[in-house]
Amino acid sequence: QVQLVQSGAEVKKPGASVKVSCKASGYTFTSYGISWVRQAPGQGLEWMGWISAYNGNTNYAQKLQGRVTMTTDTSTSTAYMELRSLRSDDTAVYYCAREGVIVGALYYYYGMDVWGQGTTVTVSS
Amino acid sequence: QSVLTQPPSASGTPGQRVTISCSGSSSNIGSNYVYWYQQLPGTAPKLLIYRNNQRPSGVPDRFSGSKSGTSASLAISGLRSEDEADYYCAAWDDSLSGKVFGTGTKVTVL
Repeated sequence: QVQLVQSGAEVKKPGASVKVSCKASGYTFTSYGISWVRQAPGQGLEWMGWISAYNGNTNYAQKLQGRVTMTTDTSTSTAYMELRSLRSDDTAVYYCAREGVIVGALYYYYGMDVWGQGTTVTVSS
Repeated sequence: QSVLTQPPSASGTPGQRVTISCSGSSSNIGSNYVYWYQQLPGTAPKLLIYRNNQRPSGVPDRFSGSKSGTSASLAISGLRSEDEADYYCAAWDDSLSGKVFGTGTKVTVL
């Protein structure tokens, strides 16, 4: 079945970096994009950015520009999200989600239709 | 900060119809598709509606979406206890060049 499986929970100190993985299975990884979304405790959803698994093109949320890097490893069908210079307000559950299918040279968007289980990142001194 | 505004809560009794609004602007809802997600307690969000009013396979037809101008709505008819969840709208924002989510609405089944 189509699924995204994320890496385990992380505890980091302020100023450190975290890298979360998202392994895809059950579909052709390079035919889709991956979005990353986070949710602080008791708060709503926040879009962090998107990466094409086809060519690595990225689009990051303005708020996180300079601190976030999204990459993919097509040999293992895995997407990664690295967040640097962590602060306490980066404490959240981080989700990856499949979004956008490439047809020819164009992407078509039908929503984030498959989600990972979430990875809790806690930033605390 | 969310640029799409939703009511914080909505409620109804089993079998009733509940409607959730999502208010945006010309740079997001006014010019792009709207998506709706359901998040049950302690779980990842689930896609309910895409491209304003389309339901993915497996989503009951009790859920319907609509859009008019810079606002959108999600309607849940025949409300059931398992519909108790948080609901979020989302859309691309041309000014921000990024996706934005609504503030979220908690639906309670009385």
